[in-house]
Amino acid sequence: KQEVTQIPAALSVPEGENLVLNCSFTDSAIYNLQWFRQDPGKGLTSLLLIQSSQREQTSGRLNASLDKSSGRSTLYIAASQPGDSATYLCAVLNDMRFGAGTRLTVKP
Amino acid sequence: GAVVSQHPSWVICKSGTSVKIECRSLDFQATTMFWYRQFPKQSLMLMATSNEGSKATYEQGVEKDKFLINHASLTLSTLTVTSAHPEDSSFYICSARNREAFFGQGTRLTVV
Repeated sequence: KQEVTQIPAALSVPEGENLVLNCSFTDSAIYNLQWFRQDPGKGLTSLLLIQSSQREQTSGRLNASLDKSSGRSTLYIAASQPGDSATYLCAVLNDMRFGAGTRLTVKP
Repeated sequence: GAVVSQHPSWVICKSGTSVKIECRSLDFQATTMFWYRQFPKQSLMLMATSNEGSKATYEQGVEKDKFLINHASLTLSTLTVTSAHPEDSSFYICSARNREAFFGQGTRLTVV
């Protein structure tokens, strides 16, 4: 069974900082990996999908990388804003398991 | 527009009654759909994998008689919480996947 771990569990930064969220998985034979954000009491919003053949994907201020050999994916957020405050989740799409998430707070 | 539609978005029911949640894949045929449960301030816990035309695969610790899953068509999976009790109150969310995962908007169940 795939185990997905996210570090850190929580992160608080001042506005404008660049930050990195980490996601690790135990089985490197992954299908695709996807990053989501979840606002309190809400559903999931897809941020980035990285297919197994790709090494990174970018969307605006977000960049996600994938290193299957080391079992890691990182989500880089540039120039963070208070509106980025949310819980960020990664999921390995083979068996659709999630990490516990990183709760991000960006202070004005 | 939504790729996966989940209904209802919230429901309040009395203890002992059953509640059915529907999950529809609107844009593609989904032979497999997924059901999750989320407690406050916790991550999504995979409950079961719903397979079209066959029995669902439940995760360890999830009571199959409590959480009935039916996937009768390629676009519809249902989760029925039977004889609901207050401890079943939670946020339930479904997903369908092709090369990426799409989620319903979730159902907040409150059992009183």
